[in-house]
Amino acid sequence: DQQVKQNSPSLSVQEGRISILNCDYTNSMFDYFLWYKKYPAEGPTFLISISSIKDKNEDGRFTVFLNKSAKHLSLHIVPSQPGDSAVYFCAASAREDMRFGAGTRLTVKP
Amino acid sequence: EPEVTQTPSHQVTQMGQEVILRCVPISNHLYFYWYRQILGQKVEFLVSFYNNEISEKSEIFDDQFSVERPDGSNFTLKIRSTKLEDSAMYFCASRGGPHSGNTIYFGEGSWLTVV
Repeated sequence: DQQVKQNSPSLSVQEGRISILNCDYTNSMFDYFLWYKKYPAEGPTFLISISSIKDKNEDGRFTVFLNKSAKHLSLHIVPSQPGDSAVYFCAASAREDMRFGAGTRLTVKP
Repeated sequence: EPEVTQTPSHQVTQMGQEVILRCVPISNHLYFYWYRQILGQKVEFLVSFYNNEISEKSEIFDDQFSVERPDGSNFTLKIRSTKLEDSAMYFCASRGGPHSGNTIYFGEGSWLTVV
């Protein structure tokens, strides 16, 4: 099923610039949204989350925005660093279930 | 920092063989999960487990799959008769109780290769 979509398989940005990763969802029952970062051959690592009662959550260089009416969320990384290069997964949760997008591979060039 | 641990990290098995993947979730967590990622594809939900029973499962989780929490610490995924298409990285995850937030924490994964 395609309940959570990340339409950009890859993104390349210059070090110091902003990275914007996008995610769309279809299930209006989702009430909690998360971003995970994943390196090859490692488990996804939790990055930042947002509850459906909020529209923005900020943690250092990472900010997640939620637009419930559009069923869209985005992750902003400012400034981007080479160490941010990884695959980023958007996830949406309802009750015990969590669904992931296909991931966006971010490459930050020095 | 507490973490989810998984064993084995890599297993190669013959098609048709049974495989058991083991996980030790974060202690005092109450919700347990298995996900998988086929190489190059997205992370897919398999099953969630709470209060000693399956709470949700995906269409991937057919009769060949089962989960068990045999004691107070381990959470296992069994594949009865493996198929080539079961080759994937399998991630165990856990989450705290209802008032401990909705963040799911993942293990490092068990890479299963079916030949």
